Amino acid sequence: AQKITQTQPGMFVQEKEAVTLDCTYDTSDPSYGLFWYKQPSSGEMIFLIYQGSYDQQNATEGRYSLNFQKARKSANLVISASQLGDSAMYFCAMREATIDAGNNRKLIWGLGTSLAVNP
Amino acid sequence: KAGVTQTPRYLIKTRGQQVTLSCSPISGHRSVSWYQQTPGQGLQFLFEYFSETQRNKGNFPGRFSGRQFSNSRSEMNVSTLELGDSALYLCASSQGEGNQPQHFGDGTRLSIL
Repeated sequence: AQKITQTQPGMFVQEKEAVTLDCTYDTSDPSYGLFWYKQPSSGEMIFLIYQGSYDQQNATEGRYSLNFQKARKSANLVISASQLGDSAMYFCAMREATIDAGNNRKLIWGLGTSLAVNP
Repeated sequence: KAGVTQTPRYLIKTRGQQVTLSCSPISGHRSVSWYQQTPGQGLQFLFEYFSETQRNKGNFPGRFSGRQFSNSRSEMNVSTLELGDSALYLCASSQGEGNQPQHFGDGTRLSIL
């Protein structure tokens, strides 16, 4: 079963508008971290924002904010005032605190959402 | 400070050959993770090294191997290359403790002919 689900393969937004990229996750671990990354067409993966499961407030970083709804297990990324340079793939990822049967505590990735910002 | 550096940026090989990719992490970072990214499979975790020891491993065949040196630089080796190994290989470094984010290099784009 997918631990990280990004239901929107592709999204379009008009420049200067806000956009929300969805991410839902599945874990029974009470302690975990959620990450969002941006990957432009050039290929580099850029860290955007982090939310810890015990954080009381939603994370914000400049134009990026995370709409964290713990009970619903969702961690949607909100980009305010979209810019042309925001056109990219966006990935949601989770790291659980518990080490799994394979002695792993790796980062689990969603399949990404492709965002296109229209002028 | 300098980011994660991956070399080479592009590589073309033929089936059956082997390849070594290099990753220099951010100074002070002790964890290096490797990922394979393809359009169909997304981002697939290969392995993670921490203080010269392999700490985590993904579900890849033994043709994929790696190592980490005492200065935290890491290399990934793929032997007996197959057409399906064509991908973007990303390296990420972090301090390796808790939930610090991983910081990625620009990747090595490997094409197998």
